[in-house]
Amino acid sequence: SQQGEEDPQALSIQEGENATMNCSYKTSINNLQWYRQNSGRGLVHLILIRSNEREKHSGRLRVTLDTSKKSSSLLITASRAADTASYFCATFPQGGSEKLVFGKGTKLTVNP
Amino acid sequence: KAGVTQTPRYLIKTRGQQVTLSCSPISGHRSVSWYQQTPGQGLQFLFEYFSETQRNKGNFPGRFSGRQFSNSRSEMNVSTLELGDSALYLCASSLSGWGYTFGSGTRLTVV
Repeated sequence: SQQGEEDPQALSIQEGENATMNCSYKTSINNLQWYRQNSGRGLVHLILIRSNEREKHSGRLRVTLDTSKKSSSLLITASRAADTASYFCATFPQGGSEKLVFGKGTKLTVNP
Repeated sequence: KAGVTQTPRYLIKTRGQQVTLSCSPISGHRSVSWYQQTPGQGLQFLFEYFSETQRNKGNFPGRFSGRQFSNSRSEMNVSTLELGDSALYLCASSLSGWGYTFGSGTRLTVV
């Protein structure tokens, strides 16, 4: 069953613009992770944010986490055509079940 | 270091057949997880193995099974294939259980 839900389901922007994707989840978590997937290939780990962190940066990526609202956002700044992909949030729930639970993803298209 | 290797990349099977997919994790990673990805259901957790033991299992029928060998390589097997089993099957390995490295997947088509 899906834990996270990404919003929007699809996003189309121009190169150079910023892209923001949101994720909501249902249960308490140890951490939340974002992954990228190009055209039905494997997922690439982008960034992990722990439950006691509120914001994290990695290059052009900025992730925020609000555990009180059970939500996270991924911001990609100065987007490039190569950023075109599907982006998934995944939660690592508390409570001993050691598995990632994925949302359905946001399909991002960056137009040159 | 080498990434997660999944074989084969593509597979076409007929209904009723069985299939075995293979995953070689990153050297030193003892946790291997399997996911099924379909357009309708998204990424669904199948099972996770750690040191040859199944540690977690998702909500899939018994036709889906797996195992892990002493060198951490893992296989999953699907018996009596159904059309709905057509999917991208992804394997991921992890050292700590938190950051996962995924393979490129096996695209299974059941006809």
